[in-house]
Amino acid sequence: SQQGEEDPQALSIQEGENATMNCSYKTSINNLQWYRQNSGRGLVHLILIRSNEREKHSGRLRVTLDTSKKSSSLLITASRAADTASYFCATDELTFGKGITLSVRP
Amino acid sequence: GAGVSQSPSNKVTEKGKDVELRCDPISGHTALYWYRQSLGQGLEFLIYFQGNSAPDKSGLPSDRFSAERTGGSVSTLTIQRTQQEDSAVYLCASSLGLPPLHFGNGTRLTVT
Repeated sequence: SQQGEEDPQALSIQEGENATMNCSYKTSINNLQWYRQNSGRGLVHLILIRSNEREKHSGRLRVTLDTSKKSSSLLITASRAADTASYFCATDELTFGKGITLSVRP
Repeated sequence: GAGVSQSPSNKVTEKGKDVELRCDPISGHTALYWYRQSLGQGLEFLIYFQGNSAPDKSGLPSDRFSAERTGGSVSTLTIQRTQQEDSAVYLCASSLGLPPLHFGNGTRLTVT
């Protein structure tokens, strides 16, 4: 079974709004990563959070990790049209879910 | 270049033909991964190479699929007797053995 499962499957927001995406997993992990995929391209690593961390920031990105709930969230603040992409989470087993399609309307 | 390079970027082949997909990882990266991404689907793990260890082939969907990594660098994914359900984007990634993974832009395979 897939280790990382994202929700929602699709998200459409207005430019300037915040986007929150969630990921759940099943077994204990050492770390969790979030990736972005633009149409027709490969995945690009965004951020990695370790199991002993609860929150991490990188620019407009904020990732949280709740190991008791086996879940993580990715928050993109002040979204831009260029953030339109698919977003994937992966655990240290390196299995990916189906991803979340984010559309940011100008 | 500094990134993972995959070739060809697009491949159209007839059902029943064999195809070879190539991946040039980032220099010095010991780990190399192959994934398959079908339309609207997530990434399906195919195979994983780490240094000189035996590859993890647990994701290969059938014996028509095989992969090699020569000299710890370039990798080739071979699909024999292609079927229409093999149509997908095949993504290669490399790493230093730990996350994060660095992905190529993939090879889009269309089997007609």
